[in-house]
Amino acid sequence: GAGVSQSPSNKVTEKGKDVELRCDPISGHTALYWYRQSLGQGLEFLIYFQGNSAPDKSGLPSDRFSAERTGGSVSTLTIQRTQQEDSAVYLCASSTGSGETQYFGPGTRLLVL
Amino acid sequence: QKEVEQNSGPLSVPEGAIASLNCTYSDRGSQSFFWYRQYSGKSPELIMFIYSNGDKEDGRFTAQLNKASQYVSLLIRDSQPSDSATYLCAADTGTASKLTFGTGTRLQVTL
Repeated sequence: GAGVSQSPSNKVTEKGKDVELRCDPISGHTALYWYRQSLGQGLEFLIYFQGNSAPDKSGLPSDRFSAERTGGSVSTLTIQRTQQEDSAVYLCASSTGSGETQYFGPGTRLLVL
Repeated sequence: QKEVEQNSGPLSVPEGAIASLNCTYSDRGSQSFFWYRQYSGKSPELIMFIYSNGDKEDGRFTAQLNKASQYVSLLIRDSQPSDSATYLCAADTGTASKLTFGTGTRLQVTL
Protein backbone atom coordinates (compact mmCIF):
# COMPACT_ATOMS: atom_id res chain seq x y z
CA GLY A 1 0.00 0.00 0.00
CA ALA A 2 0.93 3.67 -0.10
CA GLY A 3 3.43 4.99 2.37
CA VAL A 4 3.35 8.15 4.43
CA SER A 5 2.92 11.22 2.28
CA GLN A 6 3.73 14.81 3.12
CA SER A 7 3.09 18.10 1.43
CA PRO A 8 4.50 20.38 0.34
CA SER A 9 7.87 18.80 -0.31
CA ASN A 10 9.55 22.18 -0.12
CA LYS A 11 8.37 25.46 1.37
CA VAL A 12 10.11 28.82 1.30
CA THR A 13 8.54 31.53 3.40
CA GLU A 14 9.36 34.91 4.82
CA LYS A 15 10.03 35.48 8.47
CA GLY A 16 6.82 36.22 10.33
CA LYS A 17 4.52 34.30 8.01
CA ASP A 18 2.48 31.28 9.08
CA VAL A 19 2.98 27.90 7.41
CA GLU A 20 0.99 24.67 7.36
CA LEU A 21 2.56 21.30 6.74
CA ARG A 22 0.45 18.27 5.94
CA CYS A 23 0.94 14.58 6.67
CA ASP A 24 -1.15 11.70 5.39
CA PRO A 25 -0.23 8.53 7.33
CA ILE A 26 -0.36 4.94 6.18
CA SER A 27 -3.94 3.75 6.12
CA GLY A 28 -4.85 2.02 9.36
CA HIS A 29 -1.96 3.42 11.36
CA THR A 30 -3.28 4.83 14.61
CA ALA A 31 -0.10 6.54 15.76
CA LEU A 32 1.32 9.63 14.05
CA TYR A 33 4.47 11.53 14.92
CA TRP A 34 6.05 14.81 13.88
CA TYR A 35 9.82 15.33 14.06
CA ARG A 36 12.16 18.12 13.08
CA GLN A 37 15.63 17.56 11.68
CA SER A 38 17.96 20.51 11.35
CA LEU A 39 20.98 20.36 9.07
CA GLY A 40 23.38 17.70 10.32
CA GLN A 41 21.32 17.05 13.43
CA GLY A 42 19.34 14.11 14.77
CA LEU A 43 15.60 13.81 14.89
CA GLU A 44 13.88 16.13 17.34
CA PHE A 45 10.51 14.84 18.53
CA LEU A 46 7.72 17.41 18.29
CA ILE A 47 4.31 15.82 18.86
CA TYR A 48 2.63 12.42 18.94
CA PHE A 49 -0.98 11.41 18.25
CA GLN A 50 -2.37 8.00 19.25
CA GLY A 51 -5.93 7.22 18.30
CA ASN A 52 -8.40 9.43 20.13
CA SER A 53 -6.11 10.09 23.07
CA ALA A 54 -4.87 13.56 23.91
CA PRO A 55 -1.70 14.25 21.92
CA ASP A 56 1.72 14.28 23.53
CA LYS A 57 2.89 17.84 22.83
CA SER A 58 5.96 17.67 25.02
CA GLY A 59 8.39 18.24 22.14
CA LEU A 60 6.88 21.40 20.70
CA PRO A 61 9.58 24.09 21.02
CA SER A 62 7.25 27.06 21.52
CA ASP A 63 3.61 28.08 21.45
CA ARG A 64 4.08 29.13 17.82
CA PHE A 65 3.91 25.44 16.98
CA SER A 66 0.66 23.51 16.97
CA ALA A 67 -0.70 20.40 15.33
CA GLU A 68 -4.00 18.71 14.85
CA ARG A 69 -5.15 15.40 13.51
CA THR A 70 -8.58 15.29 11.99
CA GLY A 71 -10.64 12.12 11.92
CA GLY A 72 -7.72 10.07 13.19
CA SER A 73 -5.97 10.33 9.85
CA VAL A 74 -4.46 13.43 8.23
CA SER A 75 -2.43 15.74 10.41
CA THR A 76 -1.44 19.37 9.96
CA LEU A 77 1.52 21.00 11.68
CA THR A 78 1.18 24.78 11.88
CA ILE A 79 4.02 27.17 12.61
CA GLN A 80 2.92 30.72 13.31
CA ARG A 81 5.12 33.78 12.89
CA THR A 82 7.97 31.72 11.48
CA GLN A 83 11.54 32.48 12.50
CA GLN A 84 14.76 31.68 10.67
CA GLU A 85 15.62 29.06 13.27
CA ASP A 86 12.49 27.16 12.22
CA SER A 87 14.25 26.25 8.97
CA ALA A 88 14.59 22.47 8.96
CA VAL A 89 13.17 19.30 7.49
CA TYR A 90 9.89 18.39 9.12
CA LEU A 91 9.31 14.64 9.09
CA CYS A 92 6.10 12.80 9.76
CA ALA A 93 5.94 9.14 10.70
CA SER A 94 3.15 6.70 11.43
CA SER A 95 2.92 3.32 13.11
CA THR A 96 0.37 0.70 14.01
CA GLY A 97 0.62 1.68 17.64
CA SER A 98 2.79 3.20 20.32
CA GLY A 99 6.28 1.77 20.48
CA GLU A 100 5.92 0.03 17.13
CA THR A 101 8.01 0.55 14.02
CA GLN A 102 7.64 4.04 12.64
CA TYR A 103 7.52 4.61 8.89
CA PHE A 104 8.62 7.99 7.72
CA GLY A 105 7.33 10.25 5.01
CA PRO A 106 9.64 12.09 2.61
CA GLY A 107 9.59 15.25 4.72
CA THR A 108 8.92 18.91 4.09
CA ARG A 109 11.98 21.11 3.70
CA LEU A 110 11.14 24.47 5.22
CA LEU A 111 13.29 27.52 4.58
CA VAL A 112 12.48 30.73 6.39
CA LEU A 113 14.14 33.77 4.83
CA GLN B 1 16.44 12.96 30.34
CA LYS B 2 16.18 9.74 28.42
CA GLU B 3 19.01 9.57 25.91
CA VAL B 4 20.32 7.49 23.09
CA GLU B 5 24.00 8.01 22.34
CA GLN B 6 25.89 7.28 19.15
CA ASN B 7 29.33 8.16 17.89
CA SER B 8 28.80 10.66 15.08
CA GLY B 9 31.66 9.26 12.99
CA PRO B 10 32.42 9.18 10.19
CA LEU B 11 33.16 5.50 10.41
CA SER B 12 35.17 4.51 7.38
CA VAL B 13 35.42 0.86 6.29
CA PRO B 14 36.71 -0.68 3.08
CA GLU B 15 34.35 -2.41 0.71
CA GLY B 16 33.74 -6.01 1.76
CA ALA B 17 34.60 -5.41 5.41
CA ILE B 18 32.31 -5.59 8.44
CA ALA B 19 30.97 -2.28 9.70
CA SER B 20 30.10 -2.14 13.39
CA LEU B 21 27.78 0.60 14.59
CA ASN B 22 27.17 1.09 18.29
CA CYS B 23 24.54 2.73 20.43
CA THR B 24 23.91 3.07 24.16
CA TYR B 25 20.70 4.08 25.87
CA SER B 26 19.94 5.42 29.30
CA ASP B 27 16.36 4.31 29.97
CA ARG B 28 16.35 0.82 31.49
CA GLY B 29 12.62 0.65 30.75
CA SER B 30 13.19 0.67 27.00
CA GLN B 31 12.02 -2.53 25.38
CA SER B 32 12.19 -1.92 21.62
CA PHE B 33 15.17 -0.82 19.60
CA PHE B 34 15.34 0.23 15.99
CA TRP B 35 18.01 0.93 13.40
CA TYR B 36 17.19 3.34 10.60
CA ARG B 37 19.32 4.24 7.59
CA GLN B 38 19.21 7.76 6.22
CA TYR B 39 20.78 8.74 2.96
CA SER B 40 21.74 12.38 2.55
CA GLY B 41 18.67 14.46 1.77
CA LYS B 42 16.31 11.54 2.28
CA SER B 43 14.04 10.41 5.11
CA PRO B 44 14.98 7.58 7.49
CA GLU B 45 14.11 4.03 6.44
CA LEU B 46 13.89 1.07 8.80
CA ILE B 47 16.71 -1.46 8.64
CA MET B 48 15.96 -3.66 11.63
CA PHE B 49 14.30 -3.78 15.01
CA ILE B 50 15.12 -5.92 18.01
CA TYR B 51 13.29 -6.63 21.25
CA SER B 52 15.15 -9.55 22.82
CA ASN B 53 18.66 -9.91 24.17
CA GLY B 54 21.05 -11.52 21.73
CA ASP B 55 21.47 -11.36 18.00
CA LYS B 56 18.97 -10.94 15.19
CA GLU B 57 20.10 -11.48 11.63
CA ASP B 58 18.54 -10.26 8.40
CA GLY B 59 20.65 -10.76 5.29
CA ARG B 60 23.89 -8.81 5.65
CA PHE B 61 22.62 -7.06 8.78
CA THR B 62 22.83 -8.29 12.38
CA ALA B 63 21.41 -6.37 15.31
CA GLN B 64 22.72 -7.13 18.78
CA LEU B 65 21.07 -6.20 22.05
CA ASN B 66 22.49 -6.37 25.56
CA LYS B 67 19.96 -4.98 28.01
CA ALA B 68 22.23 -5.46 31.02
CA SER B 69 24.82 -3.18 29.43
CA GLN B 70 22.17 -0.98 27.77
CA TYR B 71 23.92 -1.47 24.48
CA VAL B 72 22.66 -2.00 20.93
CA SER B 73 24.77 -2.57 17.86
CA LEU B 74 24.34 -3.09 14.14
CA LEU B 75 26.79 -5.14 12.12
CA ILE B 76 26.88 -4.85 8.35
CA ARG B 77 28.74 -7.68 6.65
CA ASP B 78 30.30 -7.39 3.20
CA SER B 79 29.89 -3.62 3.29
CA GLN B 80 29.06 -2.00 -0.03
CA PRO B 81 29.47 1.60 -1.16
CA SER B 82 25.65 1.78 -1.26
CA ASP B 83 25.69 1.26 2.52
CA SER B 84 27.28 4.69 2.91
CA ALA B 85 24.68 6.64 4.89
CA THR B 86 23.88 7.85 8.39
CA TYR B 87 22.56 5.14 10.70
CA LEU B 88 20.13 6.20 13.42
CA CYS B 89 19.56 4.17 16.55
CA ALA B 90 16.23 4.58 18.35
CA ALA B 91 14.78 3.24 21.57
CA ASP B 92 11.27 3.39 22.90
CA THR B 93 10.95 5.45 26.04
CA GLY B 94 9.34 2.75 28.14
CA THR B 95 6.21 4.33 29.51
CA ALA B 96 6.06 7.29 27.14
CA SER B 97 5.43 5.31 23.94
CA LYS B 98 7.54 7.42 21.62
CA LEU B 99 10.97 6.69 20.21
CA THR B 100 14.07 8.58 21.19
CA PHE B 101 16.62 8.80 18.40
CA GLY B 102 20.37 9.11 18.58
CA THR B 103 22.08 11.71 16.43
CA GLY B 104 23.32 9.04 14.05
CA THR B 105 26.63 7.58 12.91
CA ARG B 106 27.83 8.42 9.43
CA LEU B 107 29.23 5.37 7.65
CA GLN B 108 31.54 5.65 4.66
CA VAL B 109 32.33 2.52 2.67
CA THR B 110 35.41 3.09 0.56
CA LEU B 111 36.38 1.32 -2.66
